[in-house]
Amino acid sequence: GAGVSQSPSNKVTEKGKDVELRCDPISGHTALYWYRQSLGQGLEFLIYFQGNSAPDKSGLPSDRFSAERTGGSVSTLTIQRTQQEDSAVYLCASSFHNEQFFGPGTRLTVL
Amino acid sequence: AQRVTQPEKLLSVFKGAPVELKCNYSYSGSPELFWYVQYSRQRLQLLLRHISRESIKGFTADLNKGETSFHLKKPFAQEEDSAMYYCALTDSGGYQKVTFGTGTKLQVIP
Repeated sequence: GAGVSQSPSNKVTEKGKDVELRCDPISGHTALYWYRQSLGQGLEFLIYFQGNSAPDKSGLPSDRFSAERTGGSVSTLTIQRTQQEDSAVYLCASSFHNEQFFGPGTRLTVL
Repeated sequence: AQRVTQPEKLLSVFKGAPVELKCNYSYSGSPELFWYVQYSRQRLQLLLRHISRESIKGFTADLNKGETSFHLKKPFAQEEDSAMYYCALTDSGGYQKVTFGTGTKLQVIP
């Protein structure tokens, strides 16, 4: 079946603009995670959803970052007033029986 | 709190040499440990998990609860093993957040 999908695959934006990143998890997966991967760096945890609620938002770097999940399915990560340091690959993963299935990522470039 | 430590950011080995990627964890509950791998220009994917006790692509990892370690080993490195490797931890009971280590880049020198 289809895996985790993310859109857009690439996003170039100007500093100060808002962006919205989308994640479509595998159907039936209740847990969903967002991570950030900067050039040459490892995985940085952002937020975790169990169903529609987010028990752990501790990784969101600032109040410019927010995420929601509706219907226990699609999730959107919103970054307001983007800064150059927000440039990274944003990964989404959904989870089944503790195994994580990752999407291809959205490469965000803030000019 | 749960924590995963991968002490090496980069590990370079020659082709045919043994490989050991270190992972130590801190968790008071009943842990489930994983290794994930990301090859160049590919998605991050599961390599192996301790409960399955499998050898995948020649890699094995044994959970040592006494030393709180889950090191990834392979007796003879291949060039195609060059990738980024992440150790991860969650609670075996499910419905708990997965915590990843910072990753180790394995570079196999021909």
